[in-house]
Formats: sequence, C-alpha cells, structure tokens
Amino acid sequence: DAKTTQPPSMDCAEGRAANLPCNHSTISGNEYVYWYRQIHSQGPQYIIHGLKNNETNEMASLIITEDRKSSTLILPHATLRDTAVYYCIVIRGSQGNLIFGKGTKLSVKP
Amino acid sequence: DAGVTQSPTHLIKTRGQQVTLRCSPKSGHDTVSWYQQALGQGPQFIFQYYEEEERQRGNFPDRFSGHQFPNYSSELNVNALLLGDSALYLCASSLERRAGIYNEQFFGPGTRLTVL
Repeated sequence: DAKTTQPPSMDCAEGRAANLPCNHSTISGNEYVYWYRQIHSQGPQYIIHGLKNNETNEMASLIITEDRKSSTLILPHATLRDTAVYYCIVIRGSQGNLIFGKGTKLSVKP
Repeated sequence: DAGVTQSPTHLIKTRGQQVTLRCSPKSGHDTVSWYQQALGQGPQFIFQYYEEEERQRGNFPDRFSGHQFPNYSSELNVNALLLGDSALYLCASSLERRAGIYNEQFFGPGTRLTVL
C-alpha cells in the first residue's frame, strides 16, 4: 500500500501558484519524498525529490515540514499544460520500485 | 537522445491468448521496470530486471513473466490473458542504483492492452 495520502482533486487558476499537499506521517528517516506527474495518456514524469531540506528546480519547489510528516509541491505559475495527476511517493534510497497511490488530479483552468 | 520507447502502442487480444510487450530503455540505462496501470488507478509495480535477471517482483501471478536482453531492452509476457489484464503497461528505465541512493525512473508512453 502507498504510504502517502493526497487529496483526490484540486483546481488552480492559470498563472497562479498550485500547492499540492501530501501526508506521509509514517515516513522513516532514510526515506525520500518523490513527486511524479502523469499527463493524460502519457507515462509518469519525474518532477522533484527531497529528504529533509526544501528543494527547487526548474519545474517546481518541494517544501518538507520539519517533522517530515508532510510536504507540499508548489508549481509557482501553473499553466494549462500542468493539468495532470500528481503522485507523491515515499521511497527508501535502496528500494527499486515505486509505490503509487491514486494521486491528486490537478485541473488548471483559464 | 531517445527516451524510453515501447511497442506496440495499442494491442487488442482475446481471453486466453498470450501477449508480448517490448521496451527499449533510455540511452545509458541498464535497469528496466514494468508497471501495470488500470483505468483510474496509479501504476502498480510488476517486476524489475537488471543484468538480464529478475531482481524484484510485485504481487503479480506467474502468468506475468519477463526478459532482459544484453542490450538492456526488455520484454513483458502475459499468458492466459484475462479480462482484468486490460490496462496500460508502462516500462521505466534507470541506472543501477548505487548503495543507498535511489535513481529516478524514466517512463515510456506505455502500451494500451485491451482484452476482449
């Protein structure tokens, strides 16, 4: 079973920041938080990952709470092309497979 | 640089038949994982291949088998197809994980299998 909890759906206005929450209250000290997204009819795409510190790349920012029990993926200026299902995944560094939940369906509206 | 490619893109089979799906990993990658994604669900891990051997397996019956070739490409075989095998089958490639470090997986576009 997935170790994360995400809201099933969210809406966001185009150009605004999209903040996608994820709860992972049972996370272990050696487990990373990874985010993938899946645009309709495509394979999942890696977005970002983190262990303890906040991370930022060209796609998004990842904010992890100090107790590491939850995190938020931030898309700073959402576009229509960001409409997708977003998956938050907790994984040990040595683990080979990804355990997907149902994710959050983000709809970016004009 | 080509990403992960899969063939065919779509496939229709009938119950009881057998199917083979193919995957070519991203250039430089040596590990291939297969996932099944039913409609409305997240992908479910089937198995992973490295050095031509199955290294890890999810909760799937023996009807699901695979193979990895010396060039790192891979095949997924499903025997005795059931209606419930209808799904999107995703292949993902990665580099062999270094000790304690997870290497991100790059996914292909998938093969849509319909079992009638």
